[in-house]
Amino acid sequence: GEDVEQSLFLSVREGDSSVINCTYTDSSSTYLYWYKQEPGAGLQLLTYIFSNMDMKQDQRLTVLLNKKDKHLSLRIADTQTGDSAIYFCAERGSQGNLIFGKGTKLSVKP
Amino acid sequence: NAGVTQTPKFQVLKTGQSMTLQCAQDMNHNSMYWYRQDPGMGLRLIYYSASEGTTDKGEVPNGYNVSRLNKREFSLRLESAAPSQTSVYFCASSEVSAYSNQPQHFGDGTRLSIL
Repeated sequence: GEDVEQSLFLSVREGDSSVINCTYTDSSSTYLYWYKQEPGAGLQLLTYIFSNMDMKQDQRLTVLLNKKDKHLSLRIADTQTGDSAIYFCAERGSQGNLIFGKGTKLSVKP
Repeated sequence: NAGVTQTPKFQVLKTGQSMTLQCAQDMNHNSMYWYRQDPGMGLRLIYYSASEGTTDKGEVPNGYNVSRLNKREFSLRLESAAPSQTSVYFCASSEVSAYSNQPQHFGDGTRLSIL
C-alpha cells in the first residue's frame, strides 16, 4: 500500500543546517512534495521534485531524491527561528490525492 | 489572489448537530479534496472530487457527505456530529490530468470541536 514515513522531531541551533528525512513506498510516484505548516495555519507548499530528478535546489532549500531506496530529504541551510514549523513529506496517491507523512516538528533554538 | 478559501475558520458543535463546511477555489482547478488532520496522524483524505460532477470516497469517509456544487465549490457535510470528528479540516485543490500533475493548494483550515 501507499505509505510515507518521517521522523517526528528535529531540533537544531540557529544558523545550522536542518535535514528532514522521508521514506515512501509507491515506486510509481511521479512527484514528491514538501509542505510546511506553521502553528494554527494551513499547509504551504515549499517545493516538489519530479521523480526523474536527483536533486532540486531553491534558495536555502535542497531536496535530494534516492529513487532506488525510496528516500527523500529536505535540507534547510542556515536555519532560522522562522523555520520552526511542522514539515510534511507527501507523495501523489492513486486517487490524485496526496499521501502525507505524520510530519516532522522542527524546533530552532537561538 | 485568494486561492482556496474555507469557511468557517472555527466552529463548536454539540453531538448530533449537523453542519456544512464550505470551500471555494479561484484557480480554475478541476480537482478538489477534503482532508482531516489529527494530532500525530498527519492528514487523511475524506472525500475528493476529480472533476465537476464527480465525487469519491477517500480513506476516512464515514460520517461525512460532500457536494461538488460547481467547479469552484466543494462542501463537506456532517449530518450528525460525533466527538470523534473533532479535528482540523483542510480543503485543497489542484489541476490533475493525463498531462499535468500540479501541486495541491490548501486552505487555512476549519477547526471543529464537537462536545
